[in-house]
Amino acid sequence: NAGVMQNPRHLVRRRGQEARLRCSPMKGHSHVYWYRQLPEEGLKFMVYLQKENIIDESGMPKERFSAEFPKEGPSILRIQQVVRGDSAAYFCASSPPSQHETQYFGPGTRLLVL
Amino acid sequence: SQQGEEDPQALSIQEGENATMNCSYKTSINNLQWYRQNSGRGLVHLILIRSNEREKHSGRLRVTLDTSKKSSSLLITASRAADTASYFCATDAGGSQGNLIFGKGTKLSVKP
Repeated sequence: NAGVMQNPRHLVRRRGQEARLRCSPMKGHSHVYWYRQLPEEGLKFMVYLQKENIIDESGMPKERFSAEFPKEGPSILRIQQVVRGDSAAYFCASSPPSQHETQYFGPGTRLLVL
Repeated sequence: SQQGEEDPQALSIQEGENATMNCSYKTSINNLQWYRQNSGRGLVHLILIRSNEREKHSGRLRVTLDTSKKSSSLLITASRAADTASYFCATDAGGSQGNLIFGKGTKLSVKP
């Protein structure tokens, strides 16, 4: 049973480009969460999605950031017009239906903006 | 300051010793969890303790929760070099949205 998968593991972008981060939850999990981690910091919640619905996006910056979790396929975190401050590790987690106490994390995508 | 704050920020011990890490939080919670993160990797769930529990064990891990003091501790007994990692506590802030609130973590180094 594969765990949460994220790709790419490393992503380098120049300022102004777009970054697309993908997350495939564990089999049977319908809840997806995105977190951002700056160096030497803990994880900061960004957004919580269920299939085709955004449940809570209170941690998501209002501009340039968007997330989706379509009926088919992985969840996507999209960052438009990246800036150097977007450089961070982005982690996705998933949990099964009706239970989001324990979240299972993927290996993360490390984004570097040059 | 953050909801979950661990102390110490860094801890260095010898293999075989016990390691104790503490976490404080601010709001009421339904549960508190501890996660481990090896350098450059994702987080691994260690243990969850509910607000009506005071102590929980899992292998060499022992977690306590004091809701009156809004604090928790993680004890790793008979530490091993492989325990070297960062340890984070996470709370749900009493809400039902599912987002976890993490502290900055304790960086544990176990020397062989």
